[in-house]
Amino acid sequence: AQSVSQHNHHVILSEAASLELGCNYSYGGTVNLFWYVQYPGQHLQLLLKYFSGDPLVKGIKGFEAEFIKSKFSFNLRKPSVQWSDTAEYFCAVNAPGSARQLTFGSGTQLTVLP
Amino acid sequence: GAGVSQTPSNKVTEKGKYVELRCDPISGHTALYWYRQSLGQGPEFLIYFQGTGAADDSGLPNDRFFAVRPEGSVSTLKIQRTERGDSAVYLCASSLGVGLSGANVLTFGAGSRLTVL
Repeated sequence: AQSVSQHNHHVILSEAASLELGCNYSYGGTVNLFWYVQYPGQHLQLLLKYFSGDPLVKGIKGFEAEFIKSKFSFNLRKPSVQWSDTAEYFCAVNAPGSARQLTFGSGTQLTVLP
Repeated sequence: GAGVSQTPSNKVTEKGKYVELRCDPISGHTALYWYRQSLGQGPEFLIYFQGTGAADDSGLPNDRFFAVRPEGSVSTLKIQRTERGDSAVYLCASSLGVGLSGANVLTFGAGSRLTVL
């Protein structure tokens, strides 16, 4: 079965710490990959996306993600987190053959301590 | 409108009742999606519309769930004979066109939180 795994359910960091959130998927072939963020009390927002080309993708607010095809991974990174980055982060994959569907991971809650 | 609008934001109902959830997509967006997010989980796909027709309803859990989009804009998700397990946040999203190309990324609404007692 197709799936997306986010292994970290809750991550707690201090401000200025570096962040890496894991995302692995289990599809073969071409995929489109996304990270969405949900700030407290707000709706899901697109953080960044990968469709093709350079596997290192830069998004908003200093976030970036690297697509490693051989590892079926699309990890999210930020060199120095801020208190305002406290949110829930979701990795999502466009399943091959389901061009109009996204499959989401279960999410990672990031808490940044001031 | 400026964003995807969903009403009601919160709905509490009793088991066995009928519920309607409404989604007003971004103006000009032809594709509309419904997802369901249970506590501690990521959103799960329910149904997708391209225009007025349901192009893919493979995510609907059973025949108690139904959605319409009669004029190709506003959509209503209908749940009959609600069960406690239907409690979740129901998310609507829209995109400019068909397929998930760079131009057609999904924009989500704030969701409708359904609680079935």
